[in-house]
Amino acid sequence: AQTVTQSQPEMSVQEAETVTLSCTYDTSESNYYLFWYKQPPSRQMILVIRQEAYKQQNATENRFSVNFQKAAKSFSLKISDSQLGDTAMYFCAFKAETSGSRLTFGEGTQLTVNP
Amino acid sequence: DTGVSQDPRHKITKRGQNVTFRCDPISEHNRLYWYRQTLGQGPEFLTYFQNEAQLEKSRLLSDRFSAERPKGSFSTLEIQRTEQGDSAMYLCASSLSGDQANYGYTFGSGTRLTVV
Repeated sequence: AQTVTQSQPEMSVQEAETVTLSCTYDTSESNYYLFWYKQPPSRQMILVIRQEAYKQQNATENRFSVNFQKAAKSFSLKISDSQLGDTAMYFCAFKAETSGSRLTFGEGTQLTVNP
Repeated sequence: DTGVSQDPRHKITKRGQNVTFRCDPISEHNRLYWYRQTLGQGPEFLTYFQNEAQLEKSRLLSDRFSAERPKGSFSTLEIQRTEQGDSAMYLCASSLSGDQANYGYTFGSGTRLTVV
């Protein structure tokens, strides 16, 4: 079974600054996918970024980037130039290629961007 | 297409009553998933469908829970004899199948169930 751990229940950052959210996972699978989802107060979960485990290059999407360390089983999310609209709960998620369609989520990190 | 729709948004019910939730996925998505999210926690997988077939069920899905997707379009999740521990947000998501499922799912806004 896979587990996903987010050790930071809450974080805060000043507008325009950079923040990094941590995520570690445990798996014996060799092929898998990692995701960061954002859940704003309106509740709808939105995909922020994804990473394929077999790709060494870290994924980037505009102000969002990841630091994927496969050997350490670490998958952190960096948000640059933080904006007030980034305030949300962020979830790290794991999907093994062999697990059918099951996504395993971490406990979440509540990020607050302060003006 | 307006995305994944869930109805109702909120449901308050008395313990012991039955409740049913509906999910309408993105029309071209053949996979549909149900997750449960309790306060302050990440979503937990309940079950998923490919077209009308229910392909996987979590141990969380007790005998009181049943999900259907009769025509491979919308899905319903029914909870019988509700208990206070069933209070949670029930999330529905959809995706394409195959390798496309590895590109992430589209989630609905959820149904918040409160059992009193």
